Amino acid sequence: DQQVKQNSPSLSVQEGRISILNCDYTNSMFDYFLWYKKYPAEGPTFLISISSIKDKNEDGRFTVFLNKSAKHLSLHIVPSQPGDSAVYFCAAPYGQNFVFGPGTRLSVLP
Amino acid sequence: EAQVTQNPRYLITVTGKKLTVTCSQNMNHEYMSWYRQDPGLGLRQIYYSMNVEVTDKGDVPEGYKVSRKEKRNFPLILESPSPNQTSLYFCASSFRQGLVGELFFGEGSRLTVL
Repeated sequence: DQQVKQNSPSLSVQEGRISILNCDYTNSMFDYFLWYKKYPAEGPTFLISISSIKDKNEDGRFTVFLNKSAKHLSLHIVPSQPGDSAVYFCAAPYGQNFVFGPGTRLSVLP
Repeated sequence: EAQVTQNPRYLITVTGKKLTVTCSQNMNHEYMSWYRQDPGLGLRQIYYSMNVEVTDKGDVPEGYKVSRKEKRNFPLILESPSPNQTSLYFCASSFRQGLVGELFFGEGSRLTVL
C-alpha cells in the first residue's frame, strides 16, 4: 500500500508555462515533505521541502503548496524551462526511512 | 567534492552468483541507506545504518545483506541474486536521520540478473 502517491506518471508542458506536479499521501503522521529531482543516469537530488506548519514554501521558480486537510501537496514550476525535464519524486521522512512516491516524468517542450 | 560513490554503475550477472555493490561517502555522514527503484514503485528502502556497526532492515530487505565496518562505506551484498532483484539501486547518506533535505544520493547501480 503506497503511502505517497503521484498519480500522473508523466506530464508535458510548453517552455515558459507553469508545471504543476501533484502528490497525495495517506499517513496523517507525515509532517515534512520533500521533492527530489532526478535526471537520467544520475541520483536524485533534493529540490525543495515543506513543513506541515506551513502551507507554502518558495524557492526561486519552485513553490510547494501543502493542503493538510486534503493530504495533498503540489510542486509549481514557473516558468518551466527545458532543463527542468526530469523525474520528480515526492517524499516524506518516517521513522528511519524516507517514503517516496513513484515519480512523475516532466517534459518541458521548447 | 562532496559525493556518494557507487560501484559498479552497471552489472549483468546470473542467478546465484554472489555480488557486492560498494558505496562510499566522503562527507563523514552517520546515516547511510540503500534503495531500489522499480517502475511505478518509487524508491524503496532496503537497509539503513545509523552509524558504524549499526544496521537495520528497511521495507524490502529479503535477499540482501549489508555491513558497516567503517563510517564511509556501506556495501550491499546479494548472496544469491535472483531475477526479481533486477533493479536500479541507489545508496544515500545523510548527516543524521531527521535532518530532512540532506539525503545525498549516489549515481545509481543498474543490476540485471539473468
